[in-house]
Amino acid sequence: GAGVSQSPRYKVTKRGQDVALRCDPISGHVSLYWYRQALGQGPEFLTYFNYEAQQDKSGLPNDRFSAERPEGSISTLTIQRTEQRDSAMYRCASSSGVGELFFGEGSRLTVL
Amino acid sequence: AQSVSQHNHHVILSEAASLELGCNYSYGGTVNLFWYVQYPGQHLQLLLKYFSGDPLVKGIKGFEAEFIKSKFSFNLRKPSVQWSDTAEYFCAVIPISSGSARQLTFGSGTQLTVLP
Repeated sequence: GAGVSQSPRYKVTKRGQDVALRCDPISGHVSLYWYRQALGQGPEFLTYFNYEAQQDKSGLPNDRFSAERPEGSISTLTIQRTEQRDSAMYRCASSSGVGELFFGEGSRLTVL
Repeated sequence: AQSVSQHNHHVILSEAASLELGCNYSYGGTVNLFWYVQYPGQHLQLLLKYFSGDPLVKGIKGFEAEFIKSKFSFNLRKPSVQWSDTAEYFCAVIPISSGSARQLTFGSGTQLTVLP
């Protein structure tokens, strides 16, 4: 697509529910990144992929968080058994390699 | 791991004032440096970037930044701000040395408010 697309844009869920956030990167971009941004903070790295391979998941806060990119294009970030502290803006970005990251509009997650 | 510091959390200026936002990073190797901007209600957009060469880089909308390697700094400047520059500005760093984590690390951001 023309830009990075994320869905849903807004998600409100109850504590304990699982949530899946989707990212559709710019066509042809090799690298895909997930970031989390709390209010008043900069984006915090979660994980990234080159093609379908997860290269670095050191930023995932705990094992409730997982991500996949099975065909090297669309990626899904899944949060199991959500907690209130998971509330944040989740941002996806893609890149053709070393260089500029192009960001989507983000998915705002609110856990009640 | 690398880190990025933005010392000004909120800056308020009048139109036509000059702007300088500080950014320092902690990483001893070679880095690529970026400034991203987030206008109200919009996504993060690249303002400018430094990879190599002339340490003074120019970006969109009259912004520029200077890479000073000895100070580990990449400050953002604009000679005369406009009301439309009201936004949040993020400095970011990615190391390009082999063996380093290839993740873009952001500072905590500076909210710029320009008064008309």
